[in-house]
Amino acid sequence: DAGVIQSPRHEVTEMGQEVTLRCKPISGHNSLFWYRQTMMRGLELLIYFNNNVPIDDSGMPEDRFSAKMPNASFSTLKIQPSEPRDSAVYFCASSPRGGGRTGELFFGEGSRLTVL
Amino acid sequence: TQLLEQSPQFLSIQEGENLTVYCNSSSVFSSLQWYRQEPGEGPVLLVTVVTGGEVKKLKRLTFQFGDARKDSSLHITAAQPGDTGLYLCAALSGGYNKLIFGAGTRLAVHP
Repeated sequence: DAGVIQSPRHEVTEMGQEVTLRCKPISGHNSLFWYRQTMMRGLELLIYFNNNVPIDDSGMPEDRFSAKMPNASFSTLKIQPSEPRDSAVYFCASSPRGGGRTGELFFGEGSRLTVL
Repeated sequence: TQLLEQSPQFLSIQEGENLTVYCNSSSVFSSLQWYRQEPGEGPVLLVTVVTGGEVKKLKRLTFQFGDARKDSSLHITAAQPGDTGLYLCAALSGGYNKLIFGAGTRLAVHP
């Protein structure tokens, strides 16, 4: 079975440019999460969706960040305009049910973003 | 804010040694998970512990959930180079299905 698929794997861009990261969750999973990982701050939850609806976006750093989930098989995380401090690895993860007791997550391989 | 504190932050050992890493919090959790992350990949779930005092074994890895469900430990017996990676603990925080992570323990096992 295919796991969570993220694209691009690597992106290098210049400050001020728009960045769009994409995610395809595991089929049948109804929760989707975007995390950001840096050495300084570890894994931070940015936003999560349940049944395509954003449930909690309190981790989104600022208005430059936005996320959408137009259908059950696709989500995007957009940064506009990008800044050097946005450089990080961005992970998408999905969960097979609406949380339940334990909320196990299945992660993609991540998108490594470098903003120059 | 419910925080998960992991220790040690870094651990470098020789193949065959035993080790224990810890995950502590002042909060009570309904469950706690351990993930391992290898370079260039996303975290992969190792185990979920649910009951206070629970012990789970996964080959050479032994996971324990504290009686008060505030802390957990991971013990590795006879570590191997393939155990190298970042070990993360995680727990549900506040809202439904909101999983937070500790900063992790970065383990290096040398041949």
